[in-house]
Amino acid sequence: EPEVTQTPSHQVTQMGQEVILRCVPISNHLYFYWYRQILGQKVEFLVSFYNNEISEKSEIFDDQFSVERPDGSNFTLKIRSTKLEDSAMYFCASSEASVGKNIQYFGAGTRLSVL
Amino acid sequence: LAKTTQPISMDSYEGQEVNITCSHNNIATNDYITWYQQFPSQGPRFIIQGYKTKVTNEVASLFIPADRKSSTLSLPRVSLSDTAVYYCLVGYPKAAGNKLTFGGGTRVLVKP
Repeated sequence: EPEVTQTPSHQVTQMGQEVILRCVPISNHLYFYWYRQILGQKVEFLVSFYNNEISEKSEIFDDQFSVERPDGSNFTLKIRSTKLEDSAMYFCASSEASVGKNIQYFGAGTRLSVL
Repeated sequence: LAKTTQPISMDSYEGQEVNITCSHNNIATNDYITWYQQFPSQGPRFIIQGYKTKVTNEVASLFIPADRKSSTLSLPRVSLSDTAVYYCLVGYPKAAGNKLTFGGGTRVLVKP
């Protein structure tokens, strides 16, 4: 079964450093998403991406965050200057472009630890 | 966006049927009901989606009464590996690209 893959599985960084989280969505999917989950809390939407541009973003997704599809397979989330409160699991998801379906397939996540 | 209410946690035993009810009193006409499952340290995984009456797949059944103000996810004969958090989401899924809004979910613990 096709799956969304995320790397790395765990990223440790110092406060103020830049991190890039990487995702390879399912190959025929055209909608991509990032969500995060702080330990013990709900899964929160960050951003959706389609046709090389952001479709929607939440208030969490401020100027410190950016997304990019640098090539035909990868989808990245960059945090420019990490803060302690950015520590969370970050999930990438993708979905088909078909009208009538919005089943999102999630990766296993990247655990970001900001020290 | 329709607000959903589901139990915080449920315990069960292997081989039993688990039923999780979700209330969504202000569901809109176009809204569908979708359930996701999340294992520890994993991303959510789609289980089932329905609009009315009953939907069944190889994993679960979804029962939706005529007024659609609630729905029940039924997991037949659970095993230890069904221990997870189950999320009920209500919204209009027919437009690709819509964000998913997760609530707190129901933490199901299956005991031996």
